[in-house]
Amino acid sequence: GENVEQHPSTLSVQEGDSAVIKCTYSDSASNYFPWYKQELGKGPQLIIDIRSNVGEKKDQRIAVTLNKTAKHFSLHITETQPEDSAVYFCAASSGNYKLSFGAGTTVTVRA
Amino acid sequence: GAGVSQSPSNKVTEKGKDVELRCDPISGHTALYWYRQRLGQGLEFLIYFQGNSAPDKSGLPSDRFSAERTGESVSTLTIQCTQQEDSAVYLCASSLAQGGNTIYFGEGSWLTVV
Repeated sequence: GENVEQHPSTLSVQEGDSAVIKCTYSDSASNYFPWYKQELGKGPQLIIDIRSNVGEKKDQRIAVTLNKTAKHFSLHITETQPEDSAVYFCAASSGNYKLSFGAGTTVTVRA
Repeated sequence: GAGVSQSPSNKVTEKGKDVELRCDPISGHTALYWYRQRLGQGLEFLIYFQGNSAPDKSGLPSDRFSAERTGESVSTLTIQCTQQEDSAVYLCASSLAQGGNTIYFGEGSWLTVV
């Protein structure tokens, strides 16, 4: 089955700096890569996703890049703000129903 | 409803008791998922329902776990004879259909077995 690895497990950044989270996947058939943000005591919320027919996608301060050859994808958050502090999960699926999740990255934005 | 609704939001139960967790998916979503999240960890797939197809139960950790879904609406996850290692957040999610459609999660049911 699919195996998704996520790094780093924790990330502390100064407000205004950028944060980058990287994930690798094992199944070359995977073609859908969502990112979720989970705040304390809440369920994961989709923040951005990318499909394998594109290499990059951007939504305001958030961007995701995908390298299919290397089987890795990354989340970039620019101009970080305190409200960006949360746990972020990457995931991958091969177009079927089962998302495989990374272990999560706890992001702390220091004011 | 506007989002995936789960109940109870919190449940404390004694070891050995049965618990039942409920999920109301987003209206019109034919696909429904249950995931488990242990404290500080990622999400583990438990079970998937799609329309009237046979569910994929491959993620259920033991035969103490079972789930049902009535048509394309409410689902219940039942854990029999709960153990302390069952303590976790149980997350339900739904999507329009399979195949890379956006999956929306509920807030979860926090289960503590004492």
